[in-house]
Amino acid sequence: DVKVTQSSRYLVKRTGEKVFLECVQDMDHENMFWYRQDPGLGLRLIYFSYDVKMKEKGDIPEGYSVSREKKERFSLILESASTNQTSMYLCASLEGIAGANVLTFGAGSRLTVL
Amino acid sequence: GNSVTQMEGPVTLSEEAFLTINCTYTATGYPSLFWYVQYPGEGLQLLLKATKADDKGSNKGFEATYRKETTSFHLEKGSVQVSDSAVYFCALSAHYGGSQGNLIFGKGTKLSVKP
Repeated sequence: DVKVTQSSRYLVKRTGEKVFLECVQDMDHENMFWYRQDPGLGLRLIYFSYDVKMKEKGDIPEGYSVSREKKERFSLILESASTNQTSMYLCASLEGIAGANVLTFGAGSRLTVL
Repeated sequence: GNSVTQMEGPVTLSEEAFLTINCTYTATGYPSLFWYVQYPGEGLQLLLKATKADDKGSNKGFEATYRKETTSFHLEKGSVQVSDSAVYFCALSAHYGGSQGNLIFGKGTKLSVKP
């Protein structure tokens, strides 16, 4: 089975700090995604990457950047954390099978910005 | 544009009750449809999927049928268990740029099953 690992389950940071959220997948998938999950809003796409060093903005990229230096690793970066970035962050890897795009998610990283 | 609308929760049921969670979608073309489930403290995991009209996805006693005429993909289970308590997300496939595809999610429906 594909495994997507998010290294930090819980983080507490202060306003203005730089935050790195790391995600690693072990099945050689080209596509990786970062979502944030908020009550009443569901999942919203922040950024995705379809290859090494490639990235595309999702629906809410403001305040975030990403890095994909190796195929298995996709990092989400908050350059200067703010309280409205307190959220659950979910990384996912994509297995595409003839139009049935099945995402495999990590367990999530819950970030609190004070 | 593409969108997914699912019934708002929370939904509270007694064990062995019948479950329906409604999901309708708007999409161009012929998307694939999915139900994902998120158990407490975990990430999302695929529950079932359907790739074309009239397909029925099923898993763990849950079922959903891809209805193109009503643009719906309602989730059903005949007899829920306490262990089914989770948040359920309906989703459809979409395409961004050069990606193989991304999913658009509904807002989620929280299900609580009481013994």
